[in-house]
Amino acid sequence: DAGVIQSPRHEVTEMGQEVTLRCKPISGHDYLFWYRQTMMRGLELLIYFNNNVPIDDSGMPEDRFSAKMPNASFSTLKIQPSEPRDSAVYFCASILSGGRGEQFFGPGTRLTVL
Amino acid sequence: GEDVEQSLFLSVREGDSSVINCTYTDSSSTYLYWYKQEPGAGLQLLTYIFSNMDMKQDQRLTVLLNKKDKHLSLRIADTQTGDSAIYFCAPGSGAGSYQLTFGKGTKLSVIP
Repeated sequence: DAGVIQSPRHEVTEMGQEVTLRCKPISGHDYLFWYRQTMMRGLELLIYFNNNVPIDDSGMPEDRFSAKMPNASFSTLKIQPSEPRDSAVYFCASILSGGRGEQFFGPGTRLTVL
Repeated sequence: GEDVEQSLFLSVREGDSSVINCTYTDSSSTYLYWYKQEPGAGLQLLTYIFSNMDMKQDQRLTVLLNKKDKHLSLRIADTQTGDSAIYFCAPGSGAGSYQLTFGKGTKLSVIP
């Protein structure tokens, strides 16, 4: 298995632009998590899905952020409009429920908003 | 919600043992995890301990759990330069939830 796949790996954009981050979880996994990592705040959970349904989005910072999971193989995190304070590394992770709950992380997308 | 505390930095000499400590607040965790993050990479599961265990040993890694004090530690024996990374403590949520709360991470620097 290829593991969790994220794209793009790096994104540089200007303030006000729309940004879309993509994630493909490990095949068969039924939970998907989106995290944001910054030096100041560490690793923050933004939202997670179970069987493509959003379960908890209380970590989404504001209405500029939205996430979707149209099917079991694909999820997006969208920021519109982007701001410099959104600059961070965004990780996606997936789990197969019923086991010990190990989260498998993707390599992350480093977002820079100028 | 859960609060997880770790010291931010640890520096050790190659060949010495490293001990990374973590305290947490939620006592309902079933599994408690240690993740490792190398520069420019995602987090990778290093080891874990089941909540009814006090200790788990896995080659150079020893995990100690003190449930009463809500204290988790990771010991790396014979630390190598390849162990330089950020280590995250992550107690799992209670039964039925797969959420993890991560500490801010401890950056381990190994001096040759």
